[in-house]
Amino acid sequence: DAGVIQSPRHEVTEMGQEVTLRCKPISGHNSLFWYRQTMMRGLELLIYFNNNVPIDDSGMPEDRFSAKMPNASFSTLKIQPSEPRDSAVYFCASRKTSGSYEQYFGPGTRLTVT
Amino acid sequence: DAKTTQPPSMDCAEGRAANLPCNHSTISGNEYVYWYRQIHSQGPQYIIHGLKNNETNEMASLIITEDRKSSTLILPHATLRDTAVYYCIVRVANTGGFKTIFGAGTRLFVKA
Repeated sequence: DAGVIQSPRHEVTEMGQEVTLRCKPISGHNSLFWYRQTMMRGLELLIYFNNNVPIDDSGMPEDRFSAKMPNASFSTLKIQPSEPRDSAVYFCASRKTSGSYEQYFGPGTRLTVT
Repeated sequence: DAKTTQPPSMDCAEGRAANLPCNHSTISGNEYVYWYRQIHSQGPQYIIHGLKNNETNEMASLIITEDRKSSTLILPHATLRDTAVYYCIVRVANTGGFKTIFGAGTRLFVKA
């Protein structure tokens, strides 16, 4: 398996623009997580899905952020409009909902909003 | 939710064992201890987990005290490539699934 796939790996955009981050989880994994990492706040859980259903979005910072999982093999995290404080590395992770529950992380998307 | 406490940084000589401590004094009976690490610019990587027995795999060993209030991750022969931030996590049960909360971790420096 190729592991968790994220795209793009790097994104530079101007304030006010819409940004869409994409994630393909590992095949057979039922849970998907979106995290954000910054120097100031560390690794923060934004939202997670079980079987394509959002379970907990309490970490989503505000209404500018939205996440979808239309099927078991694809998820998006959208920021509209983007702001400079959204600059961070965004990680997607997936895991099975049975067994030992370890998460497998993607390589991340480094977002810079100018 | 049970919280964890880890030293912010540690040094280890290459080839020696690295022992990374974690305190989780409020852990409840059905919560597991997980360890992940994050090498610079990469996503976190799962290392090992345990409930109350000591565990060992190809990467590391996990020693959990009998009262489960603390644990130690052991890298038996640390290499330069083990330089990373190591996260000790207690798995929290949540409606509809399980939520993993990452703290600040321990930055391990392996020196030649």
